[in-house]
Amino acid sequence: TQLLEQSPQFLSIQEGENLTVYCNSSSVFSSLQWYRQEPGEGPVLLVTVVTGGEVKKLKRLTFQFGDARKDSSLHITAAQPGDTGLYLCAGKRSGGSNYKLTFGKGTLLTVNP
Amino acid sequence: DADVTQTPRNRITKTGKRIMLECSQTKGHDRMYWYRQDPGLGLRLIYYSFDVKDINKGEISDGYSVSRQAQAKFSLSLESAIPNQTALYFCATSSRTGTYEQYFGPGTRLTVT
Repeated sequence: TQLLEQSPQFLSIQEGENLTVYCNSSSVFSSLQWYRQEPGEGPVLLVTVVTGGEVKKLKRLTFQFGDARKDSSLHITAAQPGDTGLYLCAGKRSGGSNYKLTFGKGTLLTVNP
Repeated sequence: DADVTQTPRNRITKTGKRIMLECSQTKGHDRMYWYRQDPGLGLRLIYYSFDVKDINKGEISDGYSVSRQAQAKFSLSLESAIPNQTALYFCATSSRTGTYEQYFGPGTRLTVT
């Protein structure tokens, strides 16, 4: 059973469109992070959310942590080809091991010019 | 200069060979990790180290060993490589407190023939 389910698994859109990707769990997380991984590179941290209901913005990217801290979403406005990549969510479980982040399998986003 | 570096970036080796992947970091973090990434399986933790004297197995440590030579260096060895160890390997670091945000290296693409 995957602890963090990401959807959709694949998404292909045209430049200028808006999109939302999701990260869901039945477990509570004390914090949740989003990473973007470009081909041939390692994941790069985009944001960390720690409070239920928290919303953070990073230019055209909006991240939200669910009120119950079991889910998160990433919304991209007016997507650009540079947004192409694998988006990973990862979380630190409440009461879980103090060493381990749980990673989702990711959403592979392609933004076509 | 990159904060987390990995060598080699690409490696092709034969079944049964011993291979070492190396990781160095300049972030000053105590915690270092080795992950492998496979299509459809996401990132899986192989080993992690809290400091030079504290090394622990992750989810999939069989067939792998590690060495923490210094705070800044953490190497991963495949004692006798097999084809199903073909994958992308990432080293990561994190601080010891807070939300364990991971800082990844650029990865090593390993192919075992």
